[in-house]
Parts: sequence; structure tokens; C-alpha cells
Amino acid sequence: AQTVTQSQPEMSVQEAETVTLSCTYDTSESDYYLFWYKQPPSRQMILVIRQEAYKQQNATENRFSVNFQKAAKSFSLKISDSQLGDAAMYFCALYGNKLVFGAGTILRVKS
Amino acid sequence: DTEVTQTPKHLVMGMTNKKSLKCEQHMGHRAMYWYKQKAKKPPELMFVYSYEKLSINESVPSRFSPECPNSSLLNLHLHALQPEDSALYLCASSQDVIGTVNQPQHFGDGTRLSIL
Repeated sequence: AQTVTQSQPEMSVQEAETVTLSCTYDTSESDYYLFWYKQPPSRQMILVIRQEAYKQQNATENRFSVNFQKAAKSFSLKISDSQLGDAAMYFCALYGNKLVFGAGTILRVKS
Repeated sequence: DTEVTQTPKHLVMGMTNKKSLKCEQHMGHRAMYWYKQKAKKPPELMFVYSYEKLSINESVPSRFSPECPNSSLLNLHLHALQPEDSALYLCASSQDVIGTVNQPQHFGDGTRLSIL
């Protein structure tokens, strides 16, 4: 069984500041992959960043980076220099034998 | 612009109607997916097609009938739906069902379905 838990229903950040979104997961798969997806009001699910579980190095994609703690089964997303366009629902997702999403975190960006 | 195209964007239908949702991708992906998403909830997997064959059915009611006519197209046929089936239906595709980091799922914009 696979589960993904996002414990922060909503987060707010000031424009240009940094925010961290939390995610924990559980899986019995030995090989799995982790993703953060962004879903703005326009509805499209957009891949933000991805991490292979067998890689120790944390993934980075421009202003987005992750803190992957495999032993703790934690996969947090850090957004630096937050922009108004970052406002969206953010889903953490785990792929072991299928893609399973967390409940999501609504990120609000204040100008 | 999304590389996965879904039509229609919005659909309103009665409980006795028959309609179809369509999804198209031209990325050469061999795996395609249907998800159901209720408001402010995460997407829930419904079906997975791999090489045009149904590989996963997540115990979806038979009033939802998927079809994969070719490697680029995925349909979802709807019949006798219930009000609780109102949701956003998302289509996604990936190079293969094997979920490597180089094969993430690409999502369409979804069809907003309302059942009267």
C-alpha cells in the first residue's frame, strides 16, 4: 500500500520570501519515485520537480528544491523567491506501482 | 499549452444521457490514464492503459467505460451517471507505465463534468 500525507492544508508566503511545503509518505516498494505537482485555478496539473528514491542528492529545479529524507520518508518542497504565479494547490505524489497523491496544500502568495 | 488535449472542457449531462470524454496526445506515449478529481481533493486513479490495453481498473463502476482506439487517443464513455459523479476528469500520459523519473505523467486540462 502507498500513502502520501500533506499536513498543511494552507500556507501563505510573502512575495520574494521562501516557503517550505511538507510531505511524508509510506510505501512497501523498494524502488519508487516522488513528485511535486502544481495545480493552479486553470486546473492543469504541472510537474514541478521529481526525485528518484535511490538518489541521495536532492533535486533542484530553478527556484524549487526538495529535501528528501529517505529514512524519515519525508519529501518537502522549498520555493525560494516566491512569485505571485506560484499561488496554486501543490500535490506531493508517490509512484511505486501507481501514482498516489497527497491531499494537497493551497499556497497563497501575498504581494 | 498542454501536450495532452482533452475535450470537451465542460460537460453538463442528465443522468440518462450517454456522452464521451476524449483525450489525445502526440508525444508517442504508450501509457494513458484517467483520473477523477473532486473539488479541493487530489486526483484519484480510475484506469490505466498500457500499449492500448487496459492494465488497471481501480474498481470503477461500469457506468464509466474506457476505450483506447489507438496509441494517441483515450476515451471515457459515460452512461447513467449519478450526481456524485460530478467532478473534474483528468487524462494523463507517460512514456510507459514504468514510473521512472524520466517518464513522469503529463496531464491535460481536464473536463469539468456536471450531472444534473
